[in-house]
Amino acid sequence: QVQLQESGPGLVRPSETLSLTCTVSGFSINNGYYWGWIRQTPEKGLEWIGSIYPTGTTYYNPSLKSRITISVDTSQNQFSLRVKSVTAADTAVYYCARSSAGFYYSEYWGQGTLVTVSS
Amino acid sequence: EIVLTQSPGTLSLSPGERATLSCRASQSVSSSHLAWYQQKPGQAPSLLIYGASTRATGIPDRFSGSGSGTDFTLTISRLEPGDFAVYFCQLYDSSPTFGQGTKVEIK
Repeated sequence: QVQLQESGPGLVRPSETLSLTCTVSGFSINNGYYWGWIRQTPEKGLEWIGSIYPTGTTYYNPSLKSRITISVDTSQNQFSLRVKSVTAADTAVYYCARSSAGFYYSEYWGQGTLVTVSS
Repeated sequence: EIVLTQSPGTLSLSPGERATLSCRASQSVSSSHLAWYQQKPGQAPSLLIYGASTRATGIPDRFSGSGSGTDFTLTISRLEPGDFAVYFCQLYDSSPTFGQGTKVEIK
C-alpha cells in the first residue's frame, strides 16, 4: 500500500521560505512515477505546484517557477518542496502526491498539511 | 492556457438519485488527459476516473466517466450516503490544472 505523509512547519513568516517534506512508504521512489506537490485554498482551489522524477528532473508550474524548488532524496524515500519569499497568498493546504507519466492523474495523495503564512 | 469549468456549482440530490456532473474545457483536449476526483471534508482528493472513462482501482461501477473534445461528464448512477462530497476534474495541458469543483449535497 503506497502511503505519503507530509511534514514541516505549520506557520511561516512572510518573506521567509516554506519547507515541506513528503515521506513515501510502501513503494520505492526509485521505481519511477512522478512525485509532486499540489496545494488547495478556498479562493483558488487546487493548484499544481510541481513534480520531480527520481532522476531529479523537475517540472514546475510556470506561475510559481521563480520561487519553488523540488528535490528528491531517494536514500530516505522522500522528496521536498521549498517556496521562497512567501506571502499570505501561499497560505494553503499542501498535498504531496504520486502522479502518472504525463501528470494525467494522481493516484496516491498524502493527507495534506496546512501551512499558514503570518507574522 | 486551457480553463476547466465545472457545473453546476452545487447539486442537491437524494440518496438513490442519479448525479450528472459536467466539466467543460475552453478548448478541445485529449480524453486521455482528463481525470476526476472525489474530496470529502478534511481529506485529500481521491482519484475516481482517469482517461476520461477508466475507473481507478476499487472504484465501484456506479461511477462512470464519459466525454470527448471539450465536454466531459461524471455520472453517479445511484447516490449512496458516502458519495456526498466535492468532485473535481483535472486536465493535463502544458501542466496539470483543476476545475473549481462541484459539491454534491444531500437534498
